[in-house]
Amino acid sequence: AQSVSQHNHHVILSEAASLELGCNYSYGGTVNLFWYVQYPGQHLQLLLKYFSGDPLVKGIKGFEAEFIKSKFSFNLRKPSVQWSDTAEYFCAVNGGLDMRFGAGTRLTVKP
Amino acid sequence: DTGVSQDPRHKITKRGQNVTFRCDPISEHNRLYWYRQTLGQGPEFLTYFQNEAQLEKSRLLSDRFSAERPKGSFSTLEIQRTEQGDSAMYLCASSLGTGGSLTEAFFGQGTRLTVV
Repeated sequence: AQSVSQHNHHVILSEAASLELGCNYSYGGTVNLFWYVQYPGQHLQLLLKYFSGDPLVKGIKGFEAEFIKSKFSFNLRKPSVQWSDTAEYFCAVNGGLDMRFGAGTRLTVKP
Repeated sequence: DTGVSQDPRHKITKRGQNVTFRCDPISEHNRLYWYRQTLGQGPEFLTYFQNEAQLEKSRLLSDRFSAERPKGSFSTLEIQRTEQGDSAMYLCASSLGTGGSLTEAFFGQGTRLTVV
């Protein structure tokens, strides 16, 4: 069965700091990988996705993620965070028909 | 607006009552998912439809839970004899998939269930 691990439960950063959120998954076959963001009081929205090709994918709002197959990882990065990035971030994996999510990382950006 | 609609947005019910939630996916999407999310947790997979066929059910989905997608369009999730532990946000998502691949899932706003 698929599983997804997000290592950081809550991350607190100051504006302009760099961000890296870890995501590891467990699945033996080909996977599609996603990062979703949930702003306070809003629904889940897609940040970026990886299906195939270049393992470094760029998403909206300056986010990017790198798929490292050998490490079963798909870490999310942003060079300089903004206060408006305060939200909960979820890594998700589709290795078959359904989609599984990690527990999420809450990011708080202090102005 | 993502295009996935869920109704109602909030539901408060007494323990032991039955509740039913509705999800209207994006019209051309053939895949529909139900998830449950509690505070501080990621969405937990409940069940999944491809068109009208329910292809997978999580062990989280006890006998009190049933989901349908009768015409391959909207879906309903019913919880019978609700318990306080059923209190959560119930999320619906849809995607377009062929074979073993899919597009990203688009989520609705969710239905927040409170069992008192």
